[in-house]
Amino acid sequence: AQSVTQPDIHITVSEGASLELRCNYSYGATPYLFWYVQSPGQGLQLLLKYFSGDTLVQGIKGFEAEFKRSQSSFNLRKPSVHWSDAAEYFCAVVTGTASKLTFGTGTRLQVTL
Amino acid sequence: GAVVSQHPSRVICKSGTSVKIECRSLDFQATTMFWYRQFPKQSLMLMATSNEGSKATYEQGVEKDKFLINHASLTLSTLTVTSAHPEDSSFYICSVSSRANNEKLFFGSGTQLSVL
Repeated sequence: AQSVTQPDIHITVSEGASLELRCNYSYGATPYLFWYVQSPGQGLQLLLKYFSGDTLVQGIKGFEAEFKRSQSSFNLRKPSVHWSDAAEYFCAVVTGTASKLTFGTGTRLQVTL
Repeated sequence: GAVVSQHPSRVICKSGTSVKIECRSLDFQATTMFWYRQFPKQSLMLMATSNEGSKATYEQGVEKDKFLINHASLTLSTLTVTSAHPEDSSFYICSVSSRANNEKLFFGSGTQLSVL
């Protein structure tokens, strides 16, 4: 069965610093990949997605992610973090003809001023 | 182990029938439950948000009478797809958050609904 791993449960970065959130998946074929953000008390918001083509994907709020097939990874990056980026981030994978969506366990980002 | 149980994982029904999907938090009392729908190879669509002790808040475009949400208890929410049609075929997933867990979001395993 497919699985998604987000190794970091909690990350703290200073405002203005760069950010990388890790996501690894296990699946034989190329999956469809998503990054979502959840701000406190709100539902999920899609940051970006990868279906095919250019492996470097640009998203909203200055985020980008790179699909690396050799590493089965889809890490999320941002060059300069803002305090408003503090939230929980989820990586998700769609695999198979049933289009089942599988989420990672999430990474909570804390931004210090 | 899983902290959110969603049942059934897969259901096939005839057009015109109603289908109930359950979402249960196993280890904690849920403050908020979210129901999402996912179309094939697309992103999630939030259908409704259900807070304990109050009625569900539906997103724009989601028919309340079609998709009945009942936050029956602090650990159980149900989504009933009434008079299902083939266009309701989709993947439905619930997520749960709790003040006790700092509002961290946990996901059910999803339900694949196929309406014939």
